[in-house]
Amino acid sequence: GDKVKQSPSALSLQEGTNSALRCNFSIAATTVQWFLQNPRGSLINLFYLVPGTKENGRLKSAFDSKESYSTLHIRDAQLEDSGTYFCAGASSGSWQLIFGSGTQLTVMP
Amino acid sequence: EAAVTQSPRNKVAVTGGKVTLSCNQTNNHNNMYWYRQDTGHGLRLIHYSYGAGSTEKGDIPDGYKASRPSQENFSLILELATPSQTSVYFCASLGGIGEQYFGPGTRLTVL
Repeated sequence: GDKVKQSPSALSLQEGTNSALRCNFSIAATTVQWFLQNPRGSLINLFYLVPGTKENGRLKSAFDSKESYSTLHIRDAQLEDSGTYFCAGASSGSWQLIFGSGTQLTVMP
Repeated sequence: EAAVTQSPRNKVAVTGGKVTLSCNQTNNHNNMYWYRQDTGHGLRLIHYSYGAGSTEKGDIPDGYKASRPSQENFSLILELATPSQTSVYFCASLGGIGEQYFGPGTRLTVL
């Protein structure tokens, strides 16, 4: 089965609303990265997390290594937030990232 | 933020031909990685390197070779390209705290 499961696989939002994306790990992840792949295909680093939370503007992310999950919250969604969000986990002692399959987010006016 | 560049950005190759994808980073990062991304999927690790002269197999190395001639450069080599290797290829380097930084990607089409 998938070592990193993302949910939902796709999501449509009205501009100005909030959402939460989730990543469940079946590996013993000790660090997590969240990326946004924009329509041009570039991977933009959003967060790098050890267990805990981080916030950056309208984005907030949390990582619980004991319960093996991470979340990404988007507040007041904007059109430019559209794209595919990926999470990736790495296990202790390994720098290798295991990626989820992504959440395709569409923000509508 | 760390800068990783890739060339070419787009490539069309013929089946059986040799393809070399290049990656460069000027951040003096030791670890570098090659991934491929197929439609509807996340990235999968092909090869990685711990530094100049080092190459290691990732999760899907079959059909690919890698070369790390210097700290800055990491190449992915397809000796005999096949249509199943049509994909988008990403290179990444590993920063000091464990965060990976990605290049813009190379779109490869094998006809």
